Amino acid sequence: QQQVKQSPQSLIVQKGGISIINCAYENTAFDYFPWYQQFPGKGPALLIAIRPDVSEKKEGRFTISFNKSAKQFSLHIMDSQPGDSATYFCAASKGMDTGRRALTFGSGTRLQVQP
Amino acid sequence: NAGVTQTPKFQVLKTGQSMTLQCAQDMNHNSMYWYRQDPGMGLRLIYYSASEGTTDKGEVPNGYNVSRLNKREFSLRLESAAPSQTSVYFCASSERGGAYGNTIYFGEGSWLTVV
Repeated sequence: QQQVKQSPQSLIVQKGGISIINCAYENTAFDYFPWYQQFPGKGPALLIAIRPDVSEKKEGRFTISFNKSAKQFSLHIMDSQPGDSATYFCAASKGMDTGRRALTFGSGTRLQVQP
Repeated sequence: NAGVTQTPKFQVLKTGQSMTLQCAQDMNHNSMYWYRQDPGMGLRLIYYSASEGTTDKGEVPNGYNVSRLNKREFSLRLESAAPSQTSVYFCASSERGGAYGNTIYFGEGSWLTVV
């Protein structure tokens, strides 16, 4: 079963608009929630990440909102630009042994920002 | 500054053939990973290696074997390729696991088609 559920599958936003991608998880042992950005033909790259002890993290135009009680987190892209067109993945990890942690990914959202 | 390097970039195999995907990182990382990416399913973990000399199964290990040759290199072997293994394969590494402050870096992917 999918441990991290991501929606929507695809998203079209006008330039300057706000893009919002949502993720939900079941396992309360998850304690690290990164978002990865992937351009066509490239590998995913870390965009922004959050720990569950904070409700929001902002880096430039990118913000993660985290709701621990609802077990949900979302990525907001403000003032979306055509260069933001990519596939976005949420992910989560858990485990006391840091070295043995691996990321569990959502299914991905293809974002298209129209000029 | 190469990061994570994967070879080959593209490969077409016939059903039943074997092959090895090679991965090397130059960041002196302890942890290395192999993921596969399929449409609508995100990235799924095949195997990972927390440190030199150790390997662990991930979510979808069947049909694959791995070797952590040394600290730099982590190879993925398909002993008898099947059409269901047609996918894009990503190697990744991190200093120590996937946790806050330990970014997982991905290679550019290997496109494998099994006919």
